[in-house]
Amino acid sequence: GENVEQHPSTLSVQEGDSAVIKCTYSDSASNYFPWYKQELGKRPQLIIDIRSNVGEKKDQRIAVTLNKTAKHFSLHITETQPEDSAVYFCAASSTGTASKLTFGTGTRLQVTL
Amino acid sequence: SQTIHQWPATLVQPVGSPLSLECTVEGTSNPNLYWYRQAAGRGLQLLFYSVGIGQISSEVPQNLSASRPQDRQFILSSKKLLLSDSGFYLCAWTRRDRGEKLFFGSGTQLSVL
Repeated sequence: GENVEQHPSTLSVQEGDSAVIKCTYSDSASNYFPWYKQELGKRPQLIIDIRSNVGEKKDQRIAVTLNKTAKHFSLHITETQPEDSAVYFCAASSTGTASKLTFGTGTRLQVTL
Repeated sequence: SQTIHQWPATLVQPVGSPLSLECTVEGTSNPNLYWYRQAAGRGLQLLFYSVGIGQISSEVPQNLSASRPQDRQFILSSKKLLLSDSGFYLCAWTRRDRGEKLFFGSGTQLSVL
């Protein structure tokens, strides 16, 4: 089955700096890669996703890049703000009738003033 | 719009007691439904998924079971809870035709003592 590795496990940046979180996946059939943000005690929220026919996608301060050859994808947050502090999860899926996402282990991002 | 309801929000149960967590989805029909578990400070582990009434697939052998008695209702159960069953349980759904975007319920924090 699919295996998703995520790094780093914790990340501390100063407000205004950029943050990058990286994930690798093992199943070359995977073709959908979402990112979720989870604040303490809350549900994970989908923030951005990318499909394998696209190399990069951007939404305001958030961008995701995908390298299918190397089987890795990354989340980039620019101009970080304190409200970006949360745990971020990457995931991968080979789409089917029931989309079974395999999640990474999460990155705890702390944005300091 | 679609909404997902999950209850209770918190639950403290003694070892050996039964468990029933319920989840319902509104505003859509024939959803794919999922139960995930998140141990403290850990990632998201898929426990069960369902593509239709009475159709349950188990991802991990364990002390838990799931049932789908109605199209938009998903129930997680146990006959006898173990200490290791403690965690944050999340129900989730995807649309049948666009199965990738996964949306989570608000979660149940279960503590088995």
